[in-house]
Amino acid sequence: QITLKESGPTLVKPTQILTLTCSFSGFSLSTTGVGVGWIRQPPGKGLEWLGIIYWDDDKRYSPSLKGRLSITKDTSKNHVVLTLTNVDPVDTATYYCAHRGSSGSYAFDFWGQGTMVTVSS
Amino acid sequence: EIVLAQSPGTLSLSPGERATLSCRASQTIDSRYLAWYQQKPGQAPRLLIYGASSRTTGVADRFSGSGSGTDFTLTISRLEPEDFAVYYCHHYGSSPQTFGQGTKVEIK
Repeated sequence: QITLKESGPTLVKPTQILTLTCSFSGFSLSTTGVGVGWIRQPPGKGLEWLGIIYWDDDKRYSPSLKGRLSITKDTSKNHVVLTLTNVDPVDTATYYCAHRGSSGSYAFDFWGQGTMVTVSS
Repeated sequence: EIVLAQSPGTLSLSPGERATLSCRASQTIDSRYLAWYQQKPGQAPRLLIYGASSRTTGVADRFSGSGSGTDFTLTISRLEPEDFAVYYCHHYGSSPQTFGQGTKVEIK
């Protein structure tokens, strides 16, 4: 059974660094083809893809974040970490991590419950 | 970047009716990498369809996906009360991946 859970601060001040952790179980991020993605959703708005890290440590990011985003993994701890620098109130959103399947479906087939982050002074 | 435009923005229908949701891509995409998700208030999205037309395990067969090239469709053959939600299409064949802006299916 695959589960994911996001954790981190609920309130961050503008210009600070946001760090979120995705803790998962039921799969290994060292298995060929597996990935963990990050998606966010501002209050009342749609989904925005942020980035993804793959089993081989390949990483892809949304160009809209202009180099502010970094995603890393700790395979031994079953963690993926999102780091977003120089945050702004427009970064206020629910942040989700999601499992990218490695066979059949390569879409996001399992999602965390999400964590709401507010950027405000 | 591939832009996905969903229409309509809101669909007002009654239980038992048929829902047809559209997702149009700004350029041709490989249908193997087009997905549909359902999201209810306060919940994470749920994968319904991947590869444009394959239902995920446990998804009711009243949900079906079709399409190719730039035009994709999610059809709900007979709306059940639990189907009223927001639906998103998602392109994941190349980076950056993108989501459509969503279609809300509401009770008429």
